[in-house]
Amino acid sequence: NAGVTQTPKFRVLKTGQSMTLLCAQDMNHEYMYWYRQDPGMGLRLIHYSVGEGTTAKGEVPDGYNVSRLKKQNFLLGLESAAPSQTSVYFCASSYDDSGANVLTFGAGSRLTVL
Amino acid sequence: AQSVTQPDIHITVSEGASLELRCNYSYGATPYLFWSVQYPNQGLQLLLKYLSGSTLVKGINGFEAEFNKSQTSFHLRKPSVHISDTAEYFCAVGNNFNKFYFGSGTKLNVKP
Repeated sequence: NAGVTQTPKFRVLKTGQSMTLLCAQDMNHEYMYWYRQDPGMGLRLIHYSVGEGTTAKGEVPDGYNVSRLKKQNFLLGLESAAPSQTSVYFCASSYDDSGANVLTFGAGSRLTVL
Repeated sequence: AQSVTQPDIHITVSEGASLELRCNYSYGATPYLFWSVQYPNQGLQLLLKYLSGSTLVKGINGFEAEFNKSQTSFHLRKPSVHISDTAEYFCAVGNNFNKFYFGSGTKLNVKP
């Protein structure tokens, strides 16, 4: 099925370790987004991309880096993980950024930082 | 400042009962308004959205929502819930996905 695929689904890190979350979409969408979801809070935008080779900061970008080397892939990196980054991370994509269009989400990646 | 408030954290209803999930927002202009559902271990799926026009919006699975501009509300309703409606529901506002504001969610439990 077409959609947004996130890998890995689960990961446990120790403080200070690094890791990369991969998001892949096969819908030829220009826009891609990384969100984090924490208990009692809605989704918050970390970074987004408006096309291949572009990235931009969202609401909570500190401690994260992203890259969009290929149109279909959007990578989220943690260079030095902290317990505060324990969260569920969601990737999403859309044709453009208008709310009139559809935002398609992946199934999420649960990250625990010890 | 833009914000979305979902005052109910958890709601439990019996199967077949009616449902209302509340959402109030603060936004500079009339935004697009959304309700999404999240089943366990899944991403968000769109239930319905208001862009313009009729204030009563019908979505999938029998859900509907009414936009009330004077009360800045967008409450979600369903006349008769099913056990399969057990999930977490999120209200969101915004005209562009890169400036979207999500509520904190309402967990719905439908009991037999």
